[in-house]
Amino acid sequence: EAGVAQSPRYKIIEKRQSVAFWCNPISGHATLYWYQQILGQGPKLLIQFQNNGVVDDSQLPKDRFSAERLKGVDSTLKIQPAKLEDSAVYLCASSFTSAGELFFGEGSRLTVL
Amino acid sequence: SQKIEQNSEALNIQEGKTATLTCNYTNYSPAYLQWYRQDPGRGPVFLLLIRENEKEKRKERLKVTFDTTLKQSLFHITASQPADSATYLCALDRGGGADGLTFGKGTHLIIQP
Repeated sequence: EAGVAQSPRYKIIEKRQSVAFWCNPISGHATLYWYQQILGQGPKLLIQFQNNGVVDDSQLPKDRFSAERLKGVDSTLKIQPAKLEDSAVYLCASSFTSAGELFFGEGSRLTVL
Repeated sequence: SQKIEQNSEALNIQEGKTATLTCNYTNYSPAYLQWYRQDPGRGPVFLLLIRENEKEKRKERLKVTFDTTLKQSLFHITASQPADSATYLCALDRGGGADGLTFGKGTHLIIQP
């Protein structure tokens, strides 16, 4: 069974530039999450989708972050404009149910200079 | 708001001994708790889930306990091996009807040969 796919694995940008991350969850998983993991910290939930609808985006900095899951499968997370403090690993995870184990991708490491 | 505490310092254990990691939480009564393993540069990998009505869960060399009175979970690795060296993350359901998980900062475990 294929795992959660994410791209790109690494991205370096200047502050105020924009960046987009892509995630393809495990087939059949209705729930998709984006987490932000700053070095030395645990993952922090940014947004949760159930199929193509947003369940929770209370911790998403909406002035600069946006995410979508148009067809209920793939998802993209965008940051515009990026700030230095956005340097982190962005992890995508999916689960079969909303109360089960999460399957994480390898993450996209963002460095903002 | 809910708060999760894990050993902030690295834990050094001699190979063959039992490693015990602690997860404490406050301001909250989770319905379940999960443990994940994270290797450098990789996404977290699910290990075990324990529900509030379960005292103990085992899987091969792993054992998790859940004490809702003490608001604490202990994660044990018996007969530890150098390959067990990683960061271990404790995660709780977000509660209040919200889905998804809240993660602790993780404990870096080092098994010395």
